[in-house]
Amino acid sequence: RKEVEQDPGPFNVPEGATVAFNCTYSNSASQSFFWYRQDCRKEPKLLMSVYSSGNEDGRFTAQLNRASQYISLLIRDSKLSDSATYLCVVNPYSGGGADGLTFGKGTHLIIQP
Amino acid sequence: IAGITQAPTSQILAAGRRMTLRCTQDMRHNAMYWYRQDLGLGLRLIHYSNTAGTTGKGEVPDGYSVSRANTDDFPLTLASAVPSQTSVYFCASSPRGLAGGWDEQFFGPGTRLTVL
Repeated sequence: RKEVEQDPGPFNVPEGATVAFNCTYSNSASQSFFWYRQDCRKEPKLLMSVYSSGNEDGRFTAQLNRASQYISLLIRDSKLSDSATYLCVVNPYSGGGADGLTFGKGTHLIIQP
Repeated sequence: IAGITQAPTSQILAAGRRMTLRCTQDMRHNAMYWYRQDLGLGLRLIHYSNTAGTTGKGEVPDGYSVSRANTDDFPLTLASAVPSQTSVYFCASSPRGLAGGWDEQFFGPGTRLTVL
């Protein structure tokens, strides 16, 4: 089983719609979770961290379900500028040393006018 | 400089040649990282450094070496390039390193390397 799995998409969504995607992770001891955004041929940038209680930042809502080992990202009132690849990222660090963040392969989102 | 820079932006290299990719950050971050990104495989960690003077191996370290002589610089060297090292290479840094848990990683703009 891959460590971090995402549906690669593409998700083709009309402007103004709500879209959600999930990501599953295999390491139950993972400590922290993030969504990064990557535009075509650009570097990844942090979109939001994902806390156990769930968190919201404007049109974006992230949730963590530790029991089922998945995180989700919900985008409301989608904009053309939301078109990008969204990377699910997990920090497996458990005190034994830094092994690096584990990145999913990304979900490609296309917002259509 | 503001943030993290990488050089060169892109490079075409003959197989067997030695190449060093440069990475510099001005944020005084403790930790730095090198990733490669390949289509269909996502980002994979090559090497990392939690603090100046220390380095560690990531998921795909073979064929690569790094050094961390100071806080700001973290060069990645390909001793003898092979075509399978054709990729986009991203350098990243974070204030405290992975032991910091919720530490955000900041990425450089990337280097596109082609090995022929």
